[in-house]
Amino acid sequence: NAGVTQTPKFQVLKTGQSMTLQCAQDMNHEYMSWYRQDPGMGLRLIHYSVGAGITDQGEVPNGYNVSRSTTEDFPLRLLSAAPSQTSVYFCASSINAERYNEQFFGPGTRLTVL
Amino acid sequence: DQQVKQNSPSLSVQEGRISILNCDYTNSMFDYFLWYKKYPAEGPTFLISISSIKDKNEDGRFTVFLNKSAKHLSLHIVPSQPGDSAVYFCAGGTQGGSEKLVFGKGTKLTVNP
Repeated sequence: NAGVTQTPKFQVLKTGQSMTLQCAQDMNHEYMSWYRQDPGMGLRLIHYSVGAGITDQGEVPNGYNVSRSTTEDFPLRLLSAAPSQTSVYFCASSINAERYNEQFFGPGTRLTVL
Repeated sequence: DQQVKQNSPSLSVQEGRISILNCDYTNSMFDYFLWYKKYPAEGPTFLISISSIKDKNEDGRFTVFLNKSAKHLSLHIVPSQPGDSAVYFCAGGTQGGSEKLVFGKGTKLTVNP
């Protein structure tokens, strides 16, 4: 099992550009989530999904869109990047919503917005 | 409002000694707490958890203590090893998922040989 994979590892964008951060898991997990980590901050929840076709907002959803068309994939879209979105982004998954606490994290994507 | 607080940004201990990492929470709905460990350039990994029905959970060198009346938990690592050097995040949530997992800011532990 590859676990949770994220691509790309690094990305530099200009303000206003759009891009999609990819996340995939091969553990047949129902629950998937996106977090961002900023210097001196804990991980903050952006969006989450309890299963294919179901998504919901977390603590800091503004500026981000998600969709969950399959169990395996949970992409995060930035429609118009802003410098405030410079951060490290982590995707995570867990068996189901009831076990959402014990999440497996991907290696992260370091995003810089100029 | 920080629901989960880790007031010590860093901690340095000698190899073989005990490391104690502290965490406070304010959300009374939380009934499940976790510690995650994070190495540089990697994602966090789940370390140990505790339910609010317990006051202690032990896994090898790692023990988590929960004091519900004080809304305080701590992670003890005995004996500490250089490989334990990492950032440790405390997180609070609910077993039913009614409250989303909230992370503290982390404590960077350095274990010196």
